[in-house]
Amino acid sequence: GQQVMQIPQYQHVQEGEDFTTYCNSSTTLSNIQWYKQRPGGHPVFLIQLVKSGEVKKQKRLTFQFGEAKKNSSLHITATQTTDVGTYFCAGPGANSKLTFGKGITLSVRP
Amino acid sequence: DAGVTQSPTHLIKTRGQHVTLRCSPISGHKSVSWYQQVLGQGPQFIFQYYEKEERGRGNFPDRFSARQFPNYSSELNVNALLLGDSALYLCASSLTGTTESFQYFGPGTRLLVL
Repeated sequence: GQQVMQIPQYQHVQEGEDFTTYCNSSTTLSNIQWYKQRPGGHPVFLIQLVKSGEVKKQKRLTFQFGEAKKNSSLHITATQTTDVGTYFCAGPGANSKLTFGKGITLSVRP
Repeated sequence: DAGVTQSPTHLIKTRGQHVTLRCSPISGHKSVSWYQQVLGQGPQFIFQYYEKEERGRGNFPDRFSARQFPNYSSELNVNALLLGDSALYLCASSLTGTTESFQYFGPGTRLLVL
């Protein structure tokens, strides 16, 4: 079945450093979605990318969809303590199933 | 507007028991999906319902069942609970329920099976 992979699962950065994480799908995706889950919270939708090569920005966050629509990246410029949390990518598959990666948990040292 | 609501917030059950979890979607949303999230993992898809019809089912045993009501609220039922069913159960609603619709998640129900 479809797999969505996020490696590594944990990353620690110094406040102010940049951070980049990647997401890879075993199949071509019609779109890819990113969610953020704060500790003890629930996933919150961040962005959806649809077009091949699409780039979207949200303040210090930049999201990109790969040309082959099988991978995506999230880049955070000058991380802040408010960026702490787990970032999930998710891709739609058959039978309305949205498949999530395991997520990357970001910690930021002040 | 109220977001997705779920009840109860926490639940403790013993092995073999049955549990019912409830979800109310955002007003106007006709699709509800259920996910199971185990610690350290991403949400795992269990079911999706749209207009009271099951539209998708994940790789979960028949002990898991769900339904959607005319007001679009939903219930997830789990029978014969196992220790491994301990998890955060998330409900998410979306406008159309297609794979192009992103999900609004509720706060979840934390289930502990002893």
